Amino acid sequence: AQKITQTQPGMFVQEKEAVTLDCTYDTSDQSYGLFWYKQPSSGEMIFLIYQGSYDEQNATEGRYSLNFQKARKSANLVISASQLGDSAMYFCAMREGIWNKLVFGAGTILRVKS
Amino acid sequence: NAGVMQNPRHLVRRRGQEARLRCSPMKGHSHVYWYRQLPEEGLKFMVYLQKENIIDESGMPKERFSAEFPKEGPSILRIQQVVRGDSAAYFCASSPGGGLFEAFFGQGTRLTVV
Repeated sequence: AQKITQTQPGMFVQEKEAVTLDCTYDTSDQSYGLFWYKQPSSGEMIFLIYQGSYDEQNATEGRYSLNFQKARKSANLVISASQLGDSAMYFCAMREGIWNKLVFGAGTILRVKS
Repeated sequence: NAGVMQNPRHLVRRRGQEARLRCSPMKGHSHVYWYRQLPEEGLKFMVYLQKENIIDESGMPKERFSAEFPKEGPSILRIQQVVRGDSAAYFCASSPGGGLFEAFFGQGTRLTVV
């Protein structure tokens, strides 16, 4: 069963606008963590933001925020004021249990238009 | 994260040869994870190691693949008798502990089998 679902293969956003990248997850664990990573065309994996299952507030890191809706099992990434450099592949991932073993979604390609 | 060093960045091997991928974790990190990213896909967990121990190898193919993390030196992912299907990006991540810690990724090794 797929544990992380990213339903948007590709997204376009106008520069300076906000964009939401969707992520839903499936787990029976009470303790888990949700991550978003950015993979530019150069290929490296860049950590963006983390949300723990017990965190009551949505995580924020600069222009990135995570819209965490636990009951709906969704962890959408919101990028505000998009920049051309935000064009990349974005992966949602989940850590289950006590180890840092991550399960990744298939990714969403984001293209920022000028 | 530049702190996790993987080498080589690019590796070309002929079918039947051996591939050795190296990962030096961030200073102070004793936990290493290997992931594989096939073209157009998300990362898939392969193996989790601590110094001198394999903790979880549930994602490792049963044959030809092995991993180690010796007391001294980098972690090594070894692929024997490579086939075209092994062509992928192999990422290493490290963390200071097994859980509740963010894992930092290296820049990956892109293996091409010709």
